[in-house]
Amino acid sequence: KAGVTQTPRYLIKTRGQQVTLSCSPISGHRSVSWYQQTPGQGLQFLFEYFSETQRNKGNFPGRFSGRQFSNSRSEMNVSTLELGDSALYLCASSLGTSVEQYFGPGTRLTVT
Amino acid sequence: QKEVEQNSGPLSVPEGAIASLNCTYSDRGSQSFFWYRQYSGKSPELIMSIYSNGDKEDGRFTAQLNKASQYVSLLIRDSQPSDSATYLCAVNDMRFGAGTRLTVKP
Repeated sequence: KAGVTQTPRYLIKTRGQQVTLSCSPISGHRSVSWYQQTPGQGLQFLFEYFSETQRNKGNFPGRFSGRQFSNSRSEMNVSTLELGDSALYLCASSLGTSVEQYFGPGTRLTVT
Repeated sequence: QKEVEQNSGPLSVPEGAIASLNCTYSDRGSQSFFWYRQYSGKSPELIMSIYSNGDKEDGRFTAQLNKASQYVSLLIRDSQPSDSATYLCAVNDMRFGAGTRLTVKP
């Protein structure tokens, strides 16, 4: 069974721009969660989607948004990029909430 | 107080020894607990999940959960250099500790 895939793997953007990241979960998994990982803050939860509905949201500004499609694929968007948004963005899929998650390889975003 | 706390380490053990990693959490109503391993430059990979008080063993790994004391631990027996990584504790899936960096010295 194919794992979680994320595109693109690397991205360089300029401050003020916006970016869209994509995640395809493991086949059959309906839950997709997004995380931001930085050396200083560790792994921080952004949001979780299940069957196209956002079920949980972390403590991030409204510039961070996401959505999930009917095939469970998910996208997250960051608008008006700031230097501090430079991070590894990880997507994880699971069968539901509070069960095992499987992470994708991540998207490394650099904001200059 | 952070929701999930782990000693950041680094924790260094000799090859063949038992590595003990600990995690405490603040939400007494938490029901599911997970350990992930993350190699440098890679994404986290699931090692074990535990839902009930007591021990759960999987090969060289044993997870221990004590809900009354609000802690969960991971024991790695016969530690190998390939176990050198950062170990992340997660509670109810979305709350992660900062991770403990483990180094196993040959």
